[in-house]
Amino acid sequence: KAGVTQTPRYLIKTRGQQVTLSCSPISGHRSVSWYQQTPGQGLQFLFEYFSETQRNKGNFPGRFSGRQFSNSRSEMNVSTLELGDSALYLCASSSRRGGPNTGELFFGEGSRLTVL
Amino acid sequence: GENVEQHPSTLSVQEGDSAVIKCTYSDSASNYFPWYKQELGKRPQLIIDIRSNVGEKKDQRIAVTLNKTAKHFSLHITETQPEDSAVYFCAAFTTGNQFYFGTGTSLTVIP
Repeated sequence: KAGVTQTPRYLIKTRGQQVTLSCSPISGHRSVSWYQQTPGQGLQFLFEYFSETQRNKGNFPGRFSGRQFSNSRSEMNVSTLELGDSALYLCASSSRRGGPNTGELFFGEGSRLTVL
Repeated sequence: GENVEQHPSTLSVQEGDSAVIKCTYSDSASNYFPWYKQELGKRPQLIIDIRSNVGEKKDQRIAVTLNKTAKHFSLHITETQPEDSAVYFCAAFTTGNQFYFGTGTSLTVIP
């Protein structure tokens, strides 16, 4: 079956602009989580959605937001872009419902955002 | 919240040697510890995982050990090959229902 698909793969924005990234999970997966990857910082958790509800949120400012649609596709939005937002944004889908049934994370290839 | 530390940040080994990557975590309630491999320009992929009720798990040339008392877990790769060259991330899953990742180890296997 098709893997996790993220669009766009690459984008360049300028400071102050906003950006929307999209993630289509593996069919049947209802959990979608987002991570920011930067050199030396690893994978920083942004938020997780399950069945259209935000279940968890990481320690990022309110400029970072997301949502999930009824077909489990998810979008994340970053407003008022700053230079430090330049990163690879990864989404991951999982069949997990939470608790001990954690489930494997299946990652997309990421959206590489450059802020000039 | 949970804090996962990973060492070393870079590691170079000769082909055929073993490689060991170590992670420590702070939340004693963490109960699931996966390892992900990310090859250059590719997505992270799960290579092995361990749950808190198990002390060791092995899959061919890779193994993971968990010491709950000391709150650390390690990835062991034996008989390394050039295709093992990648960035490896450890993670801990907590009762807060989210994964916390380490900062990654860049492994280079020298032929």
